[in-house]
Amino acid sequence: DADVTQTPRNRITKTGKRIMLECSQTKGHDRMYWYRQDPGLGLQLIYYSFDVKDINKGEISDGYSVSRQAQAKFSLSLESAIPNQTALYFCATSDFLGVGGYTFGSGTRLTVV
Amino acid sequence: GQQVMQIPQYQHVQEGEDFTTYCNSSTTLSNIQWYKQRPGGHPVFLIQLVKSGEVKKQKRLTFQFGEAKKNSSLHITATQTTDVGTYFCAGRSYTGGFKTIFGAGTRLFVKA
Repeated sequence: DADVTQTPRNRITKTGKRIMLECSQTKGHDRMYWYRQDPGLGLQLIYYSFDVKDINKGEISDGYSVSRQAQAKFSLSLESAIPNQTALYFCATSDFLGVGGYTFGSGTRLTVV
Repeated sequence: GQQVMQIPQYQHVQEGEDFTTYCNSSTTLSNIQWYKQRPGGHPVFLIQLVKSGEVKKQKRLTFQFGEAKKNSSLHITATQTTDVGTYFCAGRSYTGGFKTIFGAGTRLFVKA
């Protein structure tokens, strides 16, 4: 089983719909992140959480919300999806020091039509 | 705010040629990490550099961290088709709560 699991892998949704992307991890890491990847723009941080009671906005949090349900679970919601939120979304985890780098999930490819 | 610039954006090489990607930060970094993302895949952690002037090697890959801890490079010797993908640097800054900022990546194409 993967260390960081994202569901769904692919999703097509309509403009205005609410959608949730889920992430679970078996790394035992406290820190979890949601990134968005667009071609040529690298990885942009949406939200991050350093523990269950900690939620922080990243560079591009507008239009998104998150929930840290447990140490192992971190979900990302688009309250009202719009076409420019079409992108590849990655969940990642790291330990406190980040020495071993970030462990990424396989990604969710989201298309908003 | 902190920026991490990575060049080039794309690089086409013939198999066997060398490849280098460069990463430059607008601020001094506490560390820098490198990742590889295969086409259709997710970023995979390669290495972390922490010390000023540090050089680390992984087989044909050589990673360097600049003396001022504001730039880094990844050099691949004698590329192979298995090296294709996008290489990202990620710099962790002392400022702004130790945030990690990813570069836009360099996509490597290798022609057999």
